[in-house]
Amino acid sequence: GPKVLQIPSHQIIDMGQMVTLNCDPVSNHLYFYWYKQILGQQMEFLVNFYNGKVMEKSKLFKDQFSVERPDGSYFTLKIQPTALEDSAVYFCASSADNYAEQFFGPGTRLTVL
Amino acid sequence: GDSVTQTEGQVALSEEDFLTIHCNYSASGYPALFWYVQYPGEGPQFLFRASRDKEKGSSRGFEATYDKGTTSFHLRKASVQESDSAVYYCALGDHSAGNKLTFGIGTRVLVRP
Repeated sequence: GPKVLQIPSHQIIDMGQMVTLNCDPVSNHLYFYWYKQILGQQMEFLVNFYNGKVMEKSKLFKDQFSVERPDGSYFTLKIQPTALEDSAVYFCASSADNYAEQFFGPGTRLTVL
Repeated sequence: GDSVTQTEGQVALSEEDFLTIHCNYSASGYPALFWYVQYPGEGPQFLFRASRDKEKGSSRGFEATYDKGTTSFHLRKASVQESDSAVYYCALGDHSAGNKLTFGIGTRVLVRP
């Protein structure tokens, strides 16, 4: 079936540094999402993105977070600066439209030291 | 806000046993309901959905019926196989918020051969 890829699979950085998580969504999909899952907790919605704009964001999507999809390439989540509580697995997803099922990538495990 | 409750954190079964995972939701609107399955090292995979009261979703022998009266969407499978061992997530989708998904905590299913 359709695949969403995420790069890197693991990232370890020091607190205060910047990190960019990359997502290669399904090729004809138009809606993109980021979710965050802390170990042992629920997966939580961060943000969704369509037509170059953020449509909806949760309270977890702090001012230090930003998303973009420059030139239709990777859909990225940037955190600048990172904090200890940003340590989690971040899942990217994409969907064909606003009602279709979302296809998820395998996640990027981010560890902030 | 919206929420999803899965009462079973972990379920251990033998092959050919009957599986039930309970899912209840709370939402202000009329959400779509989903089941996703996650295998180790992968992101959640869409299993099926239901969008209106009394609608049954099904896939791969799994099924669930949308019940607005009891606000439930319980997952059932008549005869599990070892390959069904995975984490199962119930989720609700809010189309008014750009199709964001609210997930339950997940239920780990372990099927013994």
